[in-house]
Amino acid sequence: NAGVMQNPRHLVRRRGQEARLRCSPMKGHSHVYWYRQLPEEGLKFMVYLQKENIIDESGMPKERFSAEFPKEGPSILRIQQVVRGDSAAYFCASSPQAPGEQYFGPGTRLTVT
Amino acid sequence: DAKTTQPNSMESNEEEPVHLPCNHSTISGTDYIHWYRQLPSQGPEYVIHGLTSNVNNRMASLAIAEDRKSSTLILHRATLRDAAVYYCIMEYGNKLVFGAGTILRVKS
Repeated sequence: NAGVMQNPRHLVRRRGQEARLRCSPMKGHSHVYWYRQLPEEGLKFMVYLQKENIIDESGMPKERFSAEFPKEGPSILRIQQVVRGDSAAYFCASSPQAPGEQYFGPGTRLTVT
Repeated sequence: DAKTTQPNSMESNEEEPVHLPCNHSTISGTDYIHWYRQLPSQGPEYVIHGLTSNVNNRMASLAIAEDRKSSTLILHRATLRDAAVYYCIMEYGNKLVFGAGTILRVKS
């Protein structure tokens, strides 16, 4: 059973561009979570989704950030008009049920130049 | 959100047991206590979780105080591969609230 997959692993964007991060949960997992880790800091929760639904987006910045988990395909975290402060590692996790153990992907490291 | 307090860093010798403490005095009755660890440049890895009773698995043991205001993660025999940041986490409303964690250094 493959683990949580994230792509790309590294992403470089210029200020003002869009960043699109993908997450494929483990097989059979319908719960997806996104976390952000700024340099030298712990992870911060951003959003929790189930198929086609956003359950909790209390950690998402109000502007420029959006997330989706469509019926088919991976979950997408989209950041519009990126700024230097968006540079961070973005981790996706999935679980077969909630609450419960979360399985994390390797992360996408976003660098904004 | 329930807050956790952990030492910034700890050091252990290889092959010796390690006790990683965590205080969570504001925990509510339904909050699970989770432990995850993170190696450099990797995503967090689940270690163990519990609610009230002590828990054991192949990786570690979790000892939970009777009043649930503190807990201790026990690695029975530390190896160099156990060097990581260990996070004590409350599961709050289906999300994990990470603190700063404890950096564990293992000496050979």
